[in-house]
Order: sequence, then structure tokens, then C-alpha cells
Amino acid sequence: EAQVTQNPRYLITVTGKKLTVTCSQNMNHEYMSWYRQDPGLGLRQIYYSMNVEVTDKGDVPEGYKVSRKEKRNFPLILESPSPNQTSLYFCASSLLGKRDSPLHFGNGTRLTVT
Amino acid sequence: GNSVTQMEGPVTLSEEAFLTINCTYTATGYPSLFWYVQYPGEGLQLLLKATKADDKGSNKGFEATYRKETTSFHLEKGSVQVSDSAVYFCALSGVAGNTGKLIFGQGTTLQVKP
Repeated sequence: EAQVTQNPRYLITVTGKKLTVTCSQNMNHEYMSWYRQDPGLGLRQIYYSMNVEVTDKGDVPEGYKVSRKEKRNFPLILESPSPNQTSLYFCASSLLGKRDSPLHFGNGTRLTVT
Repeated sequence: GNSVTQMEGPVTLSEEAFLTINCTYTATGYPSLFWYVQYPGEGLQLLLKATKADDKGSNKGFEATYRKETTSFHLEKGSVQVSDSAVYFCALSGVAGNTGKLIFGQGTTLQVKP
């Protein structure tokens, strides 16, 4: 089954404790992206990657890192989480080259930073 | 810059009522337009899309027409069901240099009561 898999689904942590949210897709998509969803703000892009070893900042990259060592994986790293990073996070992937190619989303990771 | 504006929610309807969720956009060039749906506890799923002016996207009884003259992509359904209760996001793509990126509206929550 074609899917984007994120782990964990729920995560509670404390300020400053490094964490990684994993994301994997099995559709051979070139494009992968992380979004955060906050009430009243919709989804905002954090980072994106157009291929292996190619990553770039989205609209709200501060406090986050990513890597793209393999095509299928795109982990999101918070080196020193802070309470304002409490949010619902989504990983997504799509084909490149077709302007109407839809984004496929994971089921989300709800992060709470205390 | 590119942006999407949706009507504020929540929208509360009785079963079998007619649904309209307004969406307008600002964009340079010729974006593709999408509606995504998010059911409770899940990621976003593509509901329908349209890639050029006057195209009509449709799926599961929902429809939306790409209106370039009014820069709108309103979502409609003739008879809603309780199972349609979800958050609906309007989005556009085609951002230069970040071709996989979607720009989302803030989302509209729909509650359908029996």
C-alpha cells in the first residue's frame, strides 16, 4: 500500500531535549516536505527536499533541521525543542515535474514540549 | 505573494443540507488548486483538484470550479452526511522554485448533525 509513515504519533518531551521524528515513503517520490499545523494558521512548510542530499528552508525553518540521505526517508530533527514548537507535524511527499501532482500526507505527529 | 483565504468556521449543518465553503486565492502565474480533507486523528487526503481555469474537480459528491475571473475555488456538496464532518483545506501549488509546495488556507471545520 502506498503510504507515508511517520513516527511517533504522539511525543511529549521537555525543553532542550533533542528529538527526531521519522518519515518514510514507499512511492519513490522525489519531493518530501515537513509542515506544522497550528489552529487558525493552517499548515506552514518547515523544510522541503527535492531529491537526495537536496534540502531547503520553507516558511518556518527556525529551530528545525532535516536530512535526506536516502530517497525514502526525511527525518525532522529538533536539536533543542522549545514550548513554541508544540504543534501537530505532518510529513508529505509527491512526484516532481507535474504541477498537479498531489501531496501524500502521513498521519501526523502530535508534539508537546513542556 | 501567493496566498489562500477560506471562510471562517466552524460550519454546522444538518444532514442533507447544502454545503458551500468559500475559497479565494492570490497567485502569480497559473496555479493548480486543491481541496484536502482531514478527518479526526488523520493526515490530509486529497479530495479534488483543478489545474486550469473553468476546470471542475469532483469526488465523493463534492465539487469545485476553478474561476480565474473571481480567483475562487469554492467547495460545494448538495447533501452532506454526518461522515463528512472534518476539516477542509483549500490549497494552491505552482510556487516558482519550490514546485512541490502547497500553500494552504487556514482550514474550515465542518460539523454535520444528524
